[in-house]
Amino acid sequence: EDKVVQSPLSLVVHEGDTVTLNCSYEVTNFRSLLWYKQEKKAPTFLFMLTSSGIEKKSGRLSSILDKKELFSILNITATQTGDSAIYLCAVGVDSSYKLIFGSGTRLLVRP
Amino acid sequence: DAGVTQSPTHLIKTRGQQVTLRCSPISGHKSVSWYQQVLGQGPQFIFQYYEKEERGRGNFPDRFSARQFPNYSSELNVNALLLGDSALYLCASSLYPLGGSNEKLFFGSGTQLSVL
Repeated sequence: EDKVVQSPLSLVVHEGDTVTLNCSYEVTNFRSLLWYKQEKKAPTFLFMLTSSGIEKKSGRLSSILDKKELFSILNITATQTGDSAIYLCAVGVDSSYKLIFGSGTRLLVRP
Repeated sequence: DAGVTQSPTHLIKTRGQQVTLRCSPISGHKSVSWYQQVLGQGPQFIFQYYEKEERGRGNFPDRFSARQFPNYSSELNVNALLLGDSALYLCASSLYPLGGSNEKLFFGSGTQLSVL
């Protein structure tokens, strides 16, 4: 059965800290890996990584994909209170119209 | 442009009742997906529709059904509600069905369903 596992489940840091969120997956026919940020209700898209794009960066956020070891990490540097959210990792697989989500990492950034 | 809109935002029902949730995709998007997110878990795929046809269905009982209209809006229906159906129901739209470079889903703010 296809599976996406995120760690840690929750994390509390102080403003200015750097955090690393982990996502490992076991799926048949991997196609892509996506990161979303869920602050209240609507998940918002952060990154998509595929075989042709294994590293993405946007401002203080960056993500890498290791297709050999089947994992991805999301890094956030110089964290701010506005980074507090649930971060979701999702995997797309071939011949499927769904994204398989992990349970998320709840990040709390304290002032 | 408006994003994905869902209604209602909150809903309280009792066991055995039926519920209809509504979703309007981003203008120009032809595909709508439905996900269920139970507290503390990630979203779980229910349905995807494209051009009014069901393109995919997740592991949910037949009590769950959906449809897509000519204007690409969608409804999710759940019959014979159970306590375990309490969740945030998310609708997402995309220009085309998922696949290849078109994996980016745009989510609405969801409908919070509570079954008492």
